[in-house]
Amino acid sequence: ETGVTQTPRHLVMGMTNKKSLKCEQHLGHNAMYWYKQSAKKPLELMFVYSLEERVENNSVPSRFSPECPNSSHLFLHLHTLQPEDSALYLCASSQGAGEGFRSGELFFGEGSRLTVL
Amino acid sequence: LAKTTQPISMDSYEGQEVNITCSHNNIATNDYITWYQQFPSQGPRFIIQGYKTKVTNEVASLFIPADRKSSTLSLPRVSLSDTAVYYCLVGVFSGNTGKLIFGQGTTLQVKP
Repeated sequence: ETGVTQTPRHLVMGMTNKKSLKCEQHLGHNAMYWYKQSAKKPLELMFVYSLEERVENNSVPSRFSPECPNSSHLFLHLHTLQPEDSALYLCASSQGAGEGFRSGELFFGEGSRLTVL
Repeated sequence: LAKTTQPISMDSYEGQEVNITCSHNNIATNDYITWYQQFPSQGPRFIIQGYKTKVTNEVASLFIPADRKSSTLSLPRVSLSDTAVYYCLVGVFSGNTGKLIFGQGTTLQVKP
């Protein structure tokens, strides 16, 4: 248990469907991230939110739409996806490099395994 | 952003010490070096972090030479459960976020 919960753990969707991935962190952190991990490829950073404001969009296609309503919740809205978007989507949170915290420590959830048919 | 280079895979046997070296030739002055472990279908998990010299915790040691252009993760007496992918990351947080880029990682296979 990492303190970061992702739902659903598995999702199968058609290319015309609209679905959402949800992430919730119980650690009191103020930054949240979405990473994508395709088979046999490194994790790709998608989005970074700090204090509910998007601070990083790593050239992600518009068919992926993030939402951060508060510092504990992060969503990834999906629509008109392609089969190549099938991957493990990982959410992470961090508190940053303030006093008493390490620099660069991310806490990851278990991931949502997405399959696009 | 500093790029990292690690061996793609390594094999070891139970009870052995495993050393995984990561190269990061263009590491910046403020960058920290962090290692993560990832099991299949799980998110990566923080192992250890350092800036220079040697850092040791309950699961691993991290050796960083003076020029900081490489680092070595040392896992003492590995067991089958240490079979995983190990990632070396170089970066720093700006404010409360970090643009941390994962490389290919090293797949460690521990054999009985």
